[in-house]
Amino acid sequence: EVQLLESGGDLVQPGGSLRLSCTASGFTFDNHAMSWVRQAPGKGLEWLSGIGRSDGGTFYADSVKGRFTISRDNSKNTLFLQMNSLRVEDTAIYYCAKGHNLASYSELAYWGQGTLVTVSS
Amino acid sequence: QSVLTQPPSVSAAPGQKVTISCSGSSSTIGNNHVSWYQQLPGTVPKLLIYETNKRPSGIPDRFSGSKSGTSATLDITGLQTGDEADYYCGTWDSNLRVEFFGGGTKVTVL
Repeated sequence: EVQLLESGGDLVQPGGSLRLSCTASGFTFDNHAMSWVRQAPGKGLEWLSGIGRSDGGTFYADSVKGRFTISRDNSKNTLFLQMNSLRVEDTAIYYCAKGHNLASYSELAYWGQGTLVTVSS
Repeated sequence: QSVLTQPPSVSAAPGQKVTISCSGSSSTIGNNHVSWYQQLPGTVPKLLIYETNKRPSGIPDRFSGSKSGTSATLDITGLQTGDEADYYCGTWDSNLRVEFFGGGTKVTVL
């Protein structure tokens, strides 16, 4: 059974940093592209970033480019999202997700339960 | 304003059909597969449709997807009270190399 478990969400002040983790199990982690998606309170879904399989190619939404960095540790089946220069509008539930196909950043078939990031002074 | 445009809400009586549209562009829907997600209140999004018109295992055939040109459609037939949820379309943008979601459509069963 595919499982994705996010952690690291917290209350942080504007301008601060936070590192989210997503521990994967139930599939061969290094064979799959992975993505981060967020959902602000009462709002819709926003795809943030994706990382390729073993070569680690990365992609970012404009809203987080230059502030957030996606990475992965295939030896630990873990996906990361380093978030710097956080803004109030970054407040959201952050999900890690896996595509239906190996190399896909789309068609997200598996989602974690999410971790809440609150940016507030 | 979302890159993918969905109506904010649709509604119908139980047993009826609803259609949710998703309008994009040549770099999004026009050249890529479309996916659809259902998000029941307080839950994680669930993939309903992938590759524009395919259903993952366990998704009933009451849910169907299609596209024409730069627009896609999700049909829900035999509407049930349990279908009340937010529905999102999603697709890759070939030019920007990012995934976009529509703004979401709230389905209400009257």
